[in-house]
Amino acid sequence: GAGVSQSPRYKVAKRGQDVALRCDPISGHVSLFWYQQALGQGPEFLTYFQNEAQLDKSGLPSDRFFAERPEGSVSTLKIQRTQQEDSAVYLCASSSYSGGAFGELFFGEGSRLTVL
Amino acid sequence: AQKITQTQPGMFVQEKEAVTLDCTYDTSDPSYGLFWYKQPSSGEMIFLIYQGSYDQQNATEGRYSLNFQKARKSANLVISASQLGDSAMYFCAMSIPTGTASKLTFGTGTRLQVTL
Repeated sequence: GAGVSQSPRYKVAKRGQDVALRCDPISGHVSLFWYQQALGQGPEFLTYFQNEAQLDKSGLPSDRFFAERPEGSVSTLKIQRTQQEDSAVYLCASSSYSGGAFGELFFGEGSRLTVL
Repeated sequence: AQKITQTQPGMFVQEKEAVTLDCTYDTSDPSYGLFWYKQPSSGEMIFLIYQGSYDQQNATEGRYSLNFQKARKSANLVISASQLGDSAMYFCAMSIPTGTASKLTFGTGTRLQVTL
C-alpha cells in the first residue's frame, strides 16, 4: 500500500486477555519501529526491527509484550494478559533507512487499545 | 539520556498569522537530529521538518521553519501564514544514532488551534 497500515484501529480487551496488533509497513522499508502513546503524552519507543531482526527491544515495558517480524515485512505486537496500564495508542513506523542513519519515519494511524 | 521539553500545552493563533512552538532538548551527544511531527485527530504522525546538529543553517520546508539555537539547546518550530488545517498536536523529537536504530525521543506535545 501507499502508507503504513495498522489493524485493528480500535481494540477493547478485558483485563487478562491477550491482544495482537498488526503493522503492514511501506513496501521495501527495512526499518520498523513500534511506539506506545499514552493519553496526553508523546510516543515512547518500544522496539525496533531491521528486516526480520529485532535489534532493540529496550522499550518493551514487561515480558508480557512481544513483537515479531518473521519475514521482514509485516510485524505483530502481542500483549499477553493485558492490564489497564496497557491502554494506549500503539503506533508503527517504517523507514527506508537503517542503523544509525537519520531518516524520515512514516507512521501509521495507530491501534487504540482500551483495557477494561 | 536525552530529553525533550515542550512547555506549551496549548496555543491559539489566528488564521494567516505566524506562530512559534517551543522546544528545548537535552543531550550530551554531539551528533543528533531534531524533528517536528504533526499529529491530527486521525492519529498518524506526519513528518514536518528535520535539523541535524551539525547543520549550519536553519531548516525550512514550505511554511515551516526550525529556529535552531544550539547554544541554548532549543529547536522551535515556526509556522508562517497559519491555516485552519494546521490545527493539530505538534511534537518535537530528537534522535541519537546508536548504531542499531535512530529511535526518536518525543516531547509531550503542543496542541495548536487556528482560529478565524
